[in-house]
Amino acid sequence: EDKVVQSPLSLVVHEGDTVTLNCSYEVTNFRSLLWYKQEKKAPTFLFMLTSSGIEKKSGRLSSILDKKELFSILNITATQTGDSAVYLCAVEFQRSGYALNFGKGTSLLVTP
Amino acid sequence: SAVISQKPSRDICQRGTSLTIQCQVDSQVTMMFWYRQQPGQSLTLIATANQGSEATYESGFVIDKFPISRPNLTFSTLTVSNMSPEDSSIYLCSAAGGTGTYEQYFGPGTRLTVT
Repeated sequence: EDKVVQSPLSLVVHEGDTVTLNCSYEVTNFRSLLWYKQEKKAPTFLFMLTSSGIEKKSGRLSSILDKKELFSILNITATQTGDSAVYLCAVEFQRSGYALNFGKGTSLLVTP
Repeated sequence: SAVISQKPSRDICQRGTSLTIQCQVDSQVTMMFWYRQQPGQSLTLIATANQGSEATYESGFVIDKFPISRPNLTFSTLTVSNMSPEDSSIYLCSAAGGTGTYEQYFGPGTRLTVT
């Protein structure tokens, strides 16, 4: 059975801290792994990872994929209160036209 | 990135009625999907909306309950039929494959409450 597991489920940090969010997966016909940030309703796209070992960066956020060990991490450096959100990991699998299988998310709270 | 809009943004409906949610993408996309996010839960795929043919439903979702249309490459609808309070959820559409990449973008969602 395909599954995506995120850890931790929730996290509270102080502004300025660095956080690492984890995502492991077991999916047949893996195609890519995506990270999203969800604050209110719609998930906002962050990264799409398809190749192992290649870090993707956007400002203070970065992510990397390990296809051998079947996991990905999302790093946020110098956290700000605006980073408070649920971070979703999703794996794209070639079963129904590349639909996404989501993890339960990590709820991050950054306190001032 | 694709810009996706949904209508309505929210609705309160009586049990036994049906609601149709519209999803419009600002450019042609290869793939469109419908997801459900129940309170406090992550997103669950309902179906893939196939252009010009019947949607592909995930286990636990059936066409009679969630009929889907996709008449062209920019538009899709999801109907929630014969609603019950258990259908109260956020319904999101997403799209991918519009610009040669397969990054998947989401619409703002429709918050449905069934009383």
